[in-house]
Amino acid sequence: GAVVSQHPSRVICKSGTSVKIECRSLDFQATTMFWYRQFPKQSLMLMATSNEGSKATYEQGVEKDKFLINHASLTLSTLTVTSAHPEDSSFYICSAGSSNQPQHFGDGTRLSIL
Amino acid sequence: ILNVEQSPQSLHVQEGDSTNFTCSFPSSNFYALHWYRWETAKSPEALFVMTLNGDEKKKGRISATLNTKEGYSYLYIKGSQPEDSATYLCAHQANFGNEKLTFGTGTRLTIIP
Repeated sequence: GAVVSQHPSRVICKSGTSVKIECRSLDFQATTMFWYRQFPKQSLMLMATSNEGSKATYEQGVEKDKFLINHASLTLSTLTVTSAHPEDSSFYICSAGSSNQPQHFGDGTRLSIL
Repeated sequence: ILNVEQSPQSLHVQEGDSTNFTCSFPSSNFYALHWYRWETAKSPEALFVMTLNGDEKKKGRISATLNTKEGYSYLYIKGSQPEDSATYLCAHQANFGNEKLTFGTGTRLTIIP
């Protein structure tokens, strides 16, 4: 069964809306989770590393004020796309895992901004 | 910026045939190479993690090899079945203790019954 749960799987909303995506580790504690974004026909691009109890580490070119990450507990990280616009439409996916072991991925969230 | 490349981008293989595809990555600053299988409407599933030059790993009909000196890994599928249809992703891990991965664009495999 799934060890990482991501919710929601699909969001369609109007421009200007803020959207929150949750990533939960179901049967293990994750001090670190990762958020990726995938554009059509491109690879998974790491957006940020979510650190439990501290600030997220963002990759170059990712706006931290646009993509707010909160990792308040050892089993939950959230990504909030603030004031989303059509260019934010994409596929977002999270992962979590133990150190130096394969990452477990959520099912992803397809975000469509009208 | 790390460059992880996979080829081919897509592949159609007749059921029962064997196939293989490639992942190339920077040979410097390397800790591990990960392979994932990503079926449509599911989450990526880990296949292998390899760290040592010359590593070979096997899981059923799927196997992988690693050459860290020249920076490539091959994934082999023997006797392809329809359920093998998926996108196969490789990912480079640069450092021990840092789970940050750099992914290739994937090889989309379609098995023709």
